[in-house]
Amino acid sequence: DAMVIQNPRYQVTQFGKPVTLSCSQTLNHNVMYWYQQKSSQAPKLLFHYYDKDFNNEADTPDNFQSRRPNTSFCFLDIRSPGLGDAAMYLCATSRDTLETQYFGPGTRLLVL
Amino acid sequence: AQSVTQLGSHVSVSEGALVLLRCNYSSSVPPYLFWYVQYPNQGLQLLLKYTSAATLVKGINGFEAEFKKSETSFHLTKPSAHMSDAAEYFCAVSDRKGSARQLTFGSGTQLTVLP
Repeated sequence: DAMVIQNPRYQVTQFGKPVTLSCSQTLNHNVMYWYQQKSSQAPKLLFHYYDKDFNNEADTPDNFQSRRPNTSFCFLDIRSPGLGDAAMYLCATSRDTLETQYFGPGTRLLVL
Repeated sequence: AQSVTQLGSHVSVSEGALVLLRCNYSSSVPPYLFWYVQYPNQGLQLLLKYTSAATLVKGINGFEAEFKKSETSFHLTKPSAHMSDAAEYFCAVSDRKGSARQLTFGSGTQLTVLP
């Protein structure tokens, strides 16, 4: 089945220790998104890639970076995680920026 | 700017009862509207979407929603609740931001189904 895959499902890191979250897709969609969802809150868009074009939201902290080496994969790098970065991180894809977004299962990040 | 308001952060219904989850939106242009469901420690699953075709939209798992422009609403309903419907439900609006569409979520409604 075509789908959006996120690994790992749970990630534990230490305060200040860089961490990378992974997303892959078999849908061959052009657009990949990263959202941050804190407990009992709505998902908040961090950035998205249209193909190789990176689009950062204005209020996304510099601590968050992303890479998209090819169509299938997209990574979220948190350079120096703080306690406030503990959240569920959701990856989504869409065929085009005007199309419906499809979400992966998420990675729950815990910062100790 | 677009926004979504979900009335009621928690809704409880008895099994077999009607489910009604409320969503009101504001958008400067004709919107696309979505309902997503999120089970614990899972991602978001698309339930249904409105993209300016029929105003009554049927989705998965017996859910449907009706777009009412005059009321700027897109409430989600299901005639008979199932225990498996217990989850968090997010309404979202998507309208144009330049050449793209930006998805804005409501704050979510946690649905509890009582036996």
